[in-house]
Amino acid sequence: NAGVTQTPKFRVLKTGQSMTLLCAQDMNHEYMYWYRQDPGMGLRLIHYSVGEGTTAKGEVPDGYNVSRLKKQNFLLGLESAAPSQTSVYFCASRQGAGEAFFGQGTRLTVV
Amino acid sequence: ILNVEQSPQSLHVQEGDSTNFTCSFPSSNFYALHWYRWETAKSPEALFVMTLNGDEKKKGRISATLNTKEGYSYLYIKGSQPEDSATYLCAFPPGNQFYFGTGTSLTVIP
Repeated sequence: NAGVTQTPKFRVLKTGQSMTLLCAQDMNHEYMYWYRQDPGMGLRLIHYSVGEGTTAKGEVPDGYNVSRLKKQNFLLGLESAAPSQTSVYFCASRQGAGEAFFGQGTRLTVV
Repeated sequence: ILNVEQSPQSLHVQEGDSTNFTCSFPSSNFYALHWYRWETAKSPEALFVMTLNGDEKKKGRISATLNTKEGYSYLYIKGSQPEDSATYLCAFPPGNQFYFGTGTSLTVIP
């Protein structure tokens, strides 16, 4: 059972480079979320999606873009990476009022 | 953005002690309250999803209660064991969004 899979697991970027993080879920969930985890800050919501073709901003959206072209995939893009975007990124999905299922996380370092 | 607060921020207890944490959330427009367990180097995993005022849930030595009118939930661990060491998160989904508290970090000392 794959559940929620994030790609890649680790990445080092230079300031100004771009990259895309992929989140894939095989549970047919409608809702998908991207969070960042920073020390002492818990999980902060970046963007979320309530279904294929929809996206919305969370609490810390600046510097990120997202797309949900297929129901099972939620992509998080960094157009011009900054050191402040060094973090661990988690993707999650859920259905209705049910529990959220998380990917294994992506550790991103911007130098 | 909603304010979901957890206390204490961290806790150290001896093996065998019982302990509890608090999650506070906005009491208006309540939908559900989630509890998650997050071990170091792993991903958060759900413990409970609570939807009704007065709800009580139990899983082994861990239990949770919910008061939607005053906006709080308690998580209890009875007879803490070293394997209970983790960060415990609560989450509040007002509709489509899904906000987490900053968590309570529990360390159980053998």
